[in-house]
Amino acid sequence: DIQMTQSPSSVSASVGDTVTITCRASQDINSWLAWFQQKPGKAPKFLIYAASSLQSGVPSRFSGSGSGTDFTLTISSLQPEDSATYYCQQAKTFPITFGQGTRLEIK
Amino acid sequence: EVQLAESGGGLVQPGGSLRLSCAASGFKFNGYEMNWVRQSPGKGLEWVAYVSGFGSDIKYADSVKGRFTISRDNGKNSLYLQMNTLRVDDTAVYYCARGGLRLDYWGRGTLVTVSS
Repeated sequence: DIQMTQSPSSVSASVGDTVTITCRASQDINSWLAWFQQKPGKAPKFLIYAASSLQSGVPSRFSGSGSGTDFTLTISSLQPEDSATYYCQQAKTFPITFGQGTRLEIK
Repeated sequence: EVQLAESGGGLVQPGGSLRLSCAASGFKFNGYEMNWVRQSPGKGLEWVAYVSGFGSDIKYADSVKGRFTISRDNGKNSLYLQMNTLRVDDTAVYYCARGGLRLDYWGRGTLVTVSS
């Protein structure tokens, strides 16, 4: 199975800041990576696919990059509503595997 | 508008069974692969099972293989998860999600609690 490791596990930042979350795969997954946002009590929301393609309706302050084994999710101009847990997911093969999550707190 | 609505969760004793359903609307159901993903309380996301558009290809996580069965009824636009021999560590919110490896829409989930 492909292991996905995210860092940091939690981060705190202020409105207007830029935050970067990293995700590392245990083997080459090309660009087969997705990012999700999950707020408490809600279902995960699909943000980014193919490492860098923004899902329709997702604000442009969200961006993704990377290929191979190392990926990043960057959120610029942080807004209060960005407070959530973010997960990466490898989309190369089954079994689907997720990172352990990064909790983003807005100060 | 794509909508997925899970149902069938509840409290069950260890060793018991439960059948989850996911009602889909707003898209051509038989044109899409579907998955079940679960999330234990306060924990991360764990993929559970996959089914292709016409049900010919099915995959399971090792943790549920032999105990859970995924199925679909395209005539009813519905996805199912039959869960047998439930264990305490199966306690989780179960989500249905549209897509194969790209999970673009998720339902709100249904809570399954396995406890004596």
